[in-house]
Amino acid sequence: AQKITQTQPGMFVQEKEAVTLDCTYDTSDPSYGLFWYKQPSSGEMIFLIYQGSYDQQNATEGRYSLNFQKARKSANLVISASQLGDSAMYFCAMREGGSEKLVFGKGMKLTVNP
Amino acid sequence: DAGVTQSPTHLIKTRGQHVTLRCSPISGHKSVSWYQQVLGQGPQFIFQYYEKEERGRGNFPDRFSARQFPNYSSELNVNALLLGDSALYLCASSRTGFSTDTQYFGPGTRLTVL
Repeated sequence: AQKITQTQPGMFVQEKEAVTLDCTYDTSDPSYGLFWYKQPSSGEMIFLIYQGSYDQQNATEGRYSLNFQKARKSANLVISASQLGDSAMYFCAMREGGSEKLVFGKGMKLTVNP
Repeated sequence: DAGVTQSPTHLIKTRGQHVTLRCSPISGHKSVSWYQQVLGQGPQFIFQYYEKEERGRGNFPDRFSARQFPNYSSELNVNALLLGDSALYLCASSRTGFSTDTQYFGPGTRLTVL
């Protein structure tokens, strides 16, 4: 069964510093997609970045990049140059090929200090 | 372009009552998924609809039902409400129902059952 693990309950980072949010996953399906979402206190899930299991390069979207290590089954999110507005809950999620559902981790809270 | 919209934003009900939550997908998106997020957890998959057909159902009781209309909007119905149904209900839309397709979330409906 597919599973996402986020073990960091919370992190604090100084503004303008880079931060890495950890995510490990478990699946027996060779085809899958990995997603990161940001959830501010308002509640809306905001899509950040996607990595496909067959993608040869790590995904990047602006200040976000995904450190995809397939053999280790990890998909860590890297945020460069943190901003105060980055303070939020961050969720890693996976969707197996042919599956209709996203499976989410428990999330982790990032706080960016001025 | 307008994002996913959900109504109402907040709702208070008592045990045993029925509730209907509504979702309008992003224009051009034909798939709608529903998730339940209880406090402190990641979202849990409830349903996915694509082209008005149910494509998947999560581990939720039959009190939960949904449908998708010809204009691709969707309703989630919950009967015989329990205290444990109190949660943020998120709707997500995607262009297709394929696993590589990113799901974009609405702001959610926060349901409180007293």
